[in-house]
Amino acid sequence: EVQLVESGGGLVKPGGSLRLSCAASGFTFSSYSMNWVRQAPGKGLEWVSSISSSSSYIYYADSVKGRFTISRDNAKNSLYLQMNSLRAEDTAVYYCARWAGTKTDYWGQGTLVTVSS
Amino acid sequence: DIQMTQSPSSLSASVGDRVTITCQASQDISNYLNWYQQKPGKAPKLLIYDASNLETGVPSRFSGSGSGTDFTFTISSLQPEDIATYYCQQYDNLPFTFGQGTRLEIK
Repeated sequence: EVQLVESGGGLVKPGGSLRLSCAASGFTFSSYSMNWVRQAPGKGLEWVSSISSSSSYIYYADSVKGRFTISRDNAKNSLYLQMNSLRAEDTAVYYCARWAGTKTDYWGQGTLVTVSS
Repeated sequence: DIQMTQSPSSLSASVGDRVTITCQASQDISNYLNWYQQKPGKAPKLLIYDASNLETGVPSRFSGSGSGTDFTFTISSLQPEDIATYYCQQYDNLPFTFGQGTRLEIK
């Protein structure tokens, strides 16, 4: 069974940093691209970042470019999102999700990041 | 960025009704479109990929159609468990943009 479990969310002050993790199991993690998608409270879904299976290709939304860094460790079946210079508008539930070439077919349960003083 | 416009933003229907949601892309995206269902407090769930393909395990009352800029998502006979918000998403170009969502309620 495919499982994606996020962790690392919490309350952080504006300008602070946070590192999210996503532990993957039930599939060959190293064969899939992965995404981070976020959802602000009461709002819609926003794609944040993607990383290819071997980390060769990395993409970011303009809203996080230069502040967030996506990475992965295929030996540990883990995906990460390092978030720096956090702003109030980064407050959201962050989902990690598997990209199967043409579809985001599995999603984690999400981890809440709250940026507030 | 490709803009995805969903309509309606909310919808109230009765059990057994046929429900249709539309999604319009700001430019041609071929069939590079997926539909997701999100129930309150839960992660999104993939229902339809490549505009018209039913994801494994998804009930056949869900369907999708369209190509180019205009897409349609249909529930043929609404069930109580279908209460959720539905999103379209294009993956023709990065950033992978979502529609604003359609909140579906039971009348």
